[in-house]
Amino acid sequence: DGGITQSPKYLFRKEGQNVTLSCEQNLNHDAMYWYRQDPGQGLRLIYYSQIVNDFQKGDIAEGYSVSREKKESFPLTVTSAQKNPTAFYLCASSPGISGSHAYFGPGTRLLVL
Amino acid sequence: SQQGEEDPQALSIQEGENATMNCSYKTSINNLQWYRQNSGRGLVHLILIRSNEREKHSGRLRVTLDTSKKSSSLLITASRAADTASYFCATGATSGTYKYIFGTGTRLKVLA
Repeated sequence: DGGITQSPKYLFRKEGQNVTLSCEQNLNHDAMYWYRQDPGQGLRLIYYSQIVNDFQKGDIAEGYSVSREKKESFPLTVTSAQKNPTAFYLCASSPGISGSHAYFGPGTRLLVL
Repeated sequence: SQQGEEDPQALSIQEGENATMNCSYKTSINNLQWYRQNSGRGLVHLILIRSNEREKHSGRLRVTLDTSKKSSSLLITASRAADTASYFCATGATSGTYKYIFGTGTRLKVLA
């Protein structure tokens, strides 16, 4: 059963704490993405990676960090520098070729205690 | 920065009516895609139209693309209550980076 999984579904962060959101795909896709969605809003690109061991900042990378050590995994760390982290986080992947579309995971909702 | 802007922001129609939503974008594109998002869920890809295409159909969906006006429209015919969702357009860049830039979305409510 191919697809993208994100965990956990809900995550609570205490002030000053770093938290890591997991994203795994078994679609053999080269490209992976992290988006942030605020209530009633569109998706904003945080980071993306087109190949293993390489990633680029999106429009709102400040306060976030990523790694891409394996093709199937692209974890996102929300650091304490991100002052307003409460949002819905969506991970996606794509074959990374012209004319392809994105496949999305179910999302992780991050809440601040 | 948001590439696409959907219009209207919200739309409420009766079951059986058609729903039309529009998307405008700013830069040259390789293709334009439409996605659906049910509340609290991930996005699901609906249809992709390439920059050299003007119209595309998939079931009850019809997408048009006007690259001269940098705009696209999504028509859902004979809408059903199950079509209630948010709909987003996304653009695929012409450069070598395969990232997707999403619009702000249209929230569609279909009343039974």
